[in-house]
Amino acid sequence: QKEVEQDPGPLSVPEGAIVSLNCTYSNSAFQYFMWYRQYSRKGPELLMYTYSSGNKEDGRFTAQVDKSSKYISLFIRDSQPSDSATYLCAMSKGGSYIPTFGRGTSLIVHP
Amino acid sequence: KAGVTQTPRYLIKTRGQQVTLSCSPISGHRSVSWYQQTPGQGLQFLFEYFSETQRNKGNFPGRFSGRQFSNSRSEMNVSTLELGDSALYLCASSPQDVNQETQYFGPGTRLLVL
Repeated sequence: QKEVEQDPGPLSVPEGAIVSLNCTYSNSAFQYFMWYRQYSRKGPELLMYTYSSGNKEDGRFTAQVDKSSKYISLFIRDSQPSDSATYLCAMSKGGSYIPTFGRGTSLIVHP
Repeated sequence: KAGVTQTPRYLIKTRGQQVTLSCSPISGHRSVSWYQQTPGQGLQFLFEYFSETQRNKGNFPGRFSGRQFSNSRSEMNVSTLELGDSALYLCASSPQDVNQETQYFGPGTRLLVL
């Protein structure tokens, strides 16, 4: 079993829909949780970064962490075709530990 | 501020050859990490350098090596290339001395081994 599991999709939704992207993990030592967006033929771009449990909102994006269930989510409200990309979750134990990445979920938002 | 830059962007090599990839981090960032990304395995960590020292290392064979210079620029080298080394190689820099959560990625170098 991988430390971080993420459904590769693709997830296809109509424009304006609320999108929910999720990851589960097995290592309870993870404290920092990140979401990256990667467009085709580009490097990943850091979207959200949260510490421990709780919610964090940034514009149309909300990151949610439930450490008791070892489950993190990224919600995208009013999704746009420009949101079509691969979304990678990542998590870290903190300190100089390197983050562990999920495989990524491909999201397609169609007009 | 300029982002992370990587050169070259595309590379075609044949089996048995070696290759050197270059990465310039964001100005002021001293930590540089390298990743290999493939459709089958996703993003896999290669190694991380901080102040010219390798601080973390992933589970890759010794054919993969790297180094960091005093200006924080980094290079990675792959010797005796294999077909399976075809991948997108990503470099990421981090502003923090300790925490690696805020990593900023470059556009990557796409390597094709024939």
